[in-house]
Amino acid sequence: GQNIDQPTEMTATEGAIVQINCTYQTSGFNGLFWYQQHAGEAPTFLSYNVLDGLEEKGRFSSFLSRSKGYSYLLLKELQMKDSASYLCAVRGRYNNNDMRFGAGTRLTVKP
Amino acid sequence: NAGVTQTPKFQVLKTGQSMTLQCAQDMNHEYMSWYRQDPGMGLRLIHYSVGAGITDQGEVPNGYNVSRSTTEDFPLRLLSAAPSQTSVYFCASSYGGLGYGYTFGSGTRLTVV
Repeated sequence: GQNIDQPTEMTATEGAIVQINCTYQTSGFNGLFWYQQHAGEAPTFLSYNVLDGLEEKGRFSSFLSRSKGYSYLLLKELQMKDSASYLCAVRGRYNNNDMRFGAGTRLTVKP
Repeated sequence: NAGVTQTPKFQVLKTGQSMTLQCAQDMNHEYMSWYRQDPGMGLRLIHYSVGAGITDQGEVPNGYNVSRSTTEDFPLRLLSAAPSQTSVYFCASSYGGLGYGYTFGSGTRLTVV
């Protein structure tokens, strides 16, 4: 099975940097995904990591350590529109379509 | 390009009623999935499909059926609605290769009374 943990809520200030952590325990691993979900809307894909290390996409970066079962999403130069939930998801090894999600971290950006 | 289209957006059912949630995608994605999202529990996989004619159960399949007769459509059927099925339902699709994230539909908010 899979167990995915992330903090429930975080608060940060506009213009700052915030790191959202995700730890996972899984019987198989085929990649870790981050999604953004604004209140009342559908999740949207942010990033994908399958190898250890940092992937950078503009203001967003995602890091993976497979040996530690750990990932983080780093958001730089925070903007008010970044207030949303951030979902960590792990894809299992034996089924590419079996993506399991954490409960999400609700980020509030304050002026 | 419509992406993933879900209908209806809102639905109220009485306990015991049946209904079908529709999902269609126009991106020629092989993979399609249905998730439900409940407060504090995240998205949970109900059923998924890796191509036309192929479906399988996810984490919480009881009370739901699916079929995939075409690449584009993946309807979710509630057989006999129960209050525990009150939730927001998302359909999602992706290409089959590694690294492709899901594209989600806009969701269906279902209330069973």
